[in-house]
Amino acid sequence: ETGVTQTPRHLVMGMTNKKSLKCEQHLGHNAMYWYKQSAKKPLELMFVYNFKEQTENNSVPSRFSPECPNSSHLFLHLHTLQPEDSALYLCASSQARGTYNEQFFGPGTRLTVL
Amino acid sequence: DAKTTQPNSMESNEEEPVHLPCNHSTISGTDYIHWYRQLPSQGPEYVIHGLTSNVNNRMASLAIAEDRKSSTLILHRATLRDAAVYYCILRDLTNFGNEKLTFGTGTRLTIIP
Repeated sequence: ETGVTQTPRHLVMGMTNKKSLKCEQHLGHNAMYWYKQSAKKPLELMFVYNFKEQTENNSVPSRFSPECPNSSHLFLHLHTLQPEDSALYLCASSQARGTYNEQFFGPGTRLTVL
Repeated sequence: DAKTTQPNSMESNEEEPVHLPCNHSTISGTDYIHWYRQLPSQGPEYVIHGLTSNVNNRMASLAIAEDRKSSTLILHRATLRDAAVYYCILRDLTNFGNEKLTFGTGTRLTIIP
């Protein structure tokens, strides 16, 4: 595997379910990101992790719970979601700091909440 | 955050150059200009970035106006695979120093065979 991978690619869940999204990067980066892309809104940054520590939370509701066990893996735990949370969830990675660090995105998980 | 303005959509013929404009009149002196694109059913991918001088890479060229209030992404010879939404983004940093990407609605580029 190369680049940034995300699983599952598609997920349908009910409002009372608990599920997790997984992201893995094979680029040796030390920063990882979660973004949300809704049908009617631009891509929004949700969380940022640097060296496994959460450094940014963009006012995300607590029903979204991120976890970063190491610099290569990032999870987004979902519980008690609402239909309006249906969206494409994208993971990205980059080097944490430097002159310029482009972000590399995964293909996303298409989430539908019924 | 400084904002960018892009046309909602553009069309271009295959194998011809494409010029994608971006206005950023409130840009500050240290803001880099990034371009990312998102192909159908994929995550965004980096295209190019610049500060003041024009930039070239294998994917595209970036022409930056002398006053830096606008820029143009140039695809020298568009192919069908260049059909995507193109985002012009001004540099912002997280508190930790990461590049912070604030996406707008971008320009949807359609390539006509």
